[in-house]
Amino acid sequence: EVVMTQSPATLSVSPGERATLSCRASRGLSSNLAWYQQKPGQAPRLLIYGTSTRATGIPARFGGSGSGTEFTLTISSPQSEDFAIYYCQQYTHWPWTFGQGTKVEIK
Amino acid sequence: QVQLVQSGSELKKPGASVKVSCEASGYSFSDHALSWVRQAPGQGLEWMGWINTITGNPTYAQDSTGRFVFSLDTSVRTAYLRISTLKAEDTAVYYCARSSTWYATDFDFWGQGTLVTVSS
Repeated sequence: EVVMTQSPATLSVSPGERATLSCRASRGLSSNLAWYQQKPGQAPRLLIYGTSTRATGIPARFGGSGSGTEFTLTISSPQSEDFAIYYCQQYTHWPWTFGQGTKVEIK
Repeated sequence: QVQLVQSGSELKKPGASVKVSCEASGYSFSDHALSWVRQAPGQGLEWMGWINTITGNPTYAQDSTGRFVFSLDTSVRTAYLRISTLKAEDTAVYYCARSSTWYATDFDFWGQGTLVTVSS
């Protein structure tokens, strides 16, 4: 199966400071890469699909990019509500797999 | 609005079985695949597989033992996950999640999760 490796495990940022999260795949992917946000005690929420398309209602400060084996989620100016765990997920190679998550915390 | 409402928490003994339900509303049930995703305590997300809501055909990501079974009752717009011969390591929150198409892809709506605890 495709292993998705996210880095860093924890990212400490100040509100308003740009946050960049990485997701690396063990095999090359098409554009079938999604990002989710999960807050404590809540279900994940879809942020980005197809590598770079924001899901309905997702603010423009969230952006996705990448290709091949390297993908990035950028939060241009994190707000207090953005401090959470973020997961990437690939849906190119069976079975679909998630990364282990990056926790974004307040510095 | 789209909603996936799951059944409540369960406490089971090792070796028992459990059935988790996921009732869908607010959209055309057969237009969207449903998947099951589990999350062990303090851990990440693991996709378990999906069920075709048109044919009822389940596809499992990994389960050579056959302990996990996905099913549907389209008359009540509900998907089910049955886990048999429960083990302590099955303790997790189980989510149902909808895909944007009939085929499992990304997951645009999620149930609230069902905590299954396996303990003697």
